[in-house]
Amino acid sequence: DAGITQSPRHKVTETGTPVTLRCHQTENHRYMYWYRQDPGHGLRLIHYSYGVKDTDKGEVSDGYSVSRSKTEDFLLTLESATSSQTSVYFCAISGLGWADTQYFGPGTRLTVL
Amino acid sequence: AQKVTQAQTEISVVEKEDVTLDCVYETRDTTYYLFWYKQPPSGELVFLIRRNSFDEQNEISGRYSWNFQKSTSSFNFTITASQVVDSAVYFCALSQAGTALIFGKGTTLSVSS
Repeated sequence: DAGITQSPRHKVTETGTPVTLRCHQTENHRYMYWYRQDPGHGLRLIHYSYGVKDTDKGEVSDGYSVSRSKTEDFLLTLESATSSQTSVYFCAISGLGWADTQYFGPGTRLTVL
Repeated sequence: AQKVTQAQTEISVVEKEDVTLDCVYETRDTTYYLFWYKQPPSGELVFLIRRNSFDEQNEISGRYSWNFQKSTSSFNFTITASQVVDSAVYFCALSQAGTALIFGKGTTLSVSS
């Protein structure tokens, strides 16, 4: 199994508070991704990174920002959480970008009250 | 536009039955990759298979087999002699240059004993 951890695994927060989710990998993979999973929508890409300090937006990036200061860590920040951001968040990694298999972390369940 | 359709939202079978999960994709590219992932009740996403657009050979792995047909833009997944442990949500996904990994909405398979 790919070495990917996410923290926290569960979080309950209130509307308007900032939240940061962390993804950590031990595989030294170049590409890292953040997805959200919602009923009826499947998985949708929020942001991805193709190297340290190199990031780009995905399909549903509004309200989210990311940072990658080290190869192994990819942070997802909700600057001011809203109830519509209640979801399960998955991090994924791949070595070679679009043509490569993405391996997923265990997920973080976020509830915004 | 790129799209993945899993028309079967839910399937219920009894143990030892064979079951086929359908996946139809849309793309204008000639080079692309197709994937299947499994999401058991515990919630993690498990990679099952990756197939590139130039390889139409069917694949068999134990009780699992995959039928890739470019003529019908389909990449179907068959489980032979299903077991209760096969109960999960199964996702088909498409990857091509310049785009994110595009997921279907998933098929929930329930196998009863």
